[in-house]
Amino acid sequence: DGGITQSPKYLFRKEGQNVTLSCEQNLNHDAMYWYRQDPGQGLRLIYYSQIVNDFQKGDIAEGYSVSREKKESFPLTVTSAQKNPTAFYLCASSISGTGGDQPQHFGDGTRLSIL
Amino acid sequence: DQQVKQNSPSLSVQEGRISILNCDYTNSMFDYFLWYKKYPAEGPTFLISISSIKDKNEDGRFTVFLNKSAKHLSLHIVPSQPGDSAVYFCAASRTYSGNTPLVFGKGTRLSVIA
Repeated sequence: DGGITQSPKYLFRKEGQNVTLSCEQNLNHDAMYWYRQDPGQGLRLIYYSQIVNDFQKGDIAEGYSVSREKKESFPLTVTSAQKNPTAFYLCASSISGTGGDQPQHFGDGTRLSIL
Repeated sequence: DQQVKQNSPSLSVQEGRISILNCDYTNSMFDYFLWYKKYPAEGPTFLISISSIKDKNEDGRFTVFLNKSAKHLSLHIVPSQPGDSAVYFCAASRTYSGNTPLVFGKGTRLSVIA
């Protein structure tokens, strides 16, 4: 059963700690994305990757880092430099990130909270 | 500057009636538009899309209309059902060049009242 798996569902972070959110897909999609959703807000793009070993900053990349060593995996690290990390984080993937009318498919999200 | 706008934060509709959700965009380079449905604590689910070469796309109870000259699209749900109650996001992208992540609106919360 193909899909996008985000883990954990809930994550708590202490002040000054880095945390890594996992995103795995078995859809054989080339492109993967990370979004952040805050209450009453739309989805804002943090980072995206169109192919393995390549990624680009989105609109709100400050305080975040990513890697794309495997096609299936696109982990997001929330660093201590991110001053307001409490949010709902969504990972998505699509067949291609370079055009074509293909929708993105989303995981079920990770809710990050600061202790 | 918000490139995709959903000006109605919420909408209430009686069960069985039509729901119309609206979306405006400012970037004339957008040529692919999507609607997503989202329940609390879940990821968005893709509903329906439309390319700028069309002005209408239909899928069961869901129809999306695109008015390029007005830079406006709408999602019609008919008949509306209680299970349709969710937040609906409009999104847009450019497909004819690289680096085309989706740009999302802030969403409209639809409540279908039985």
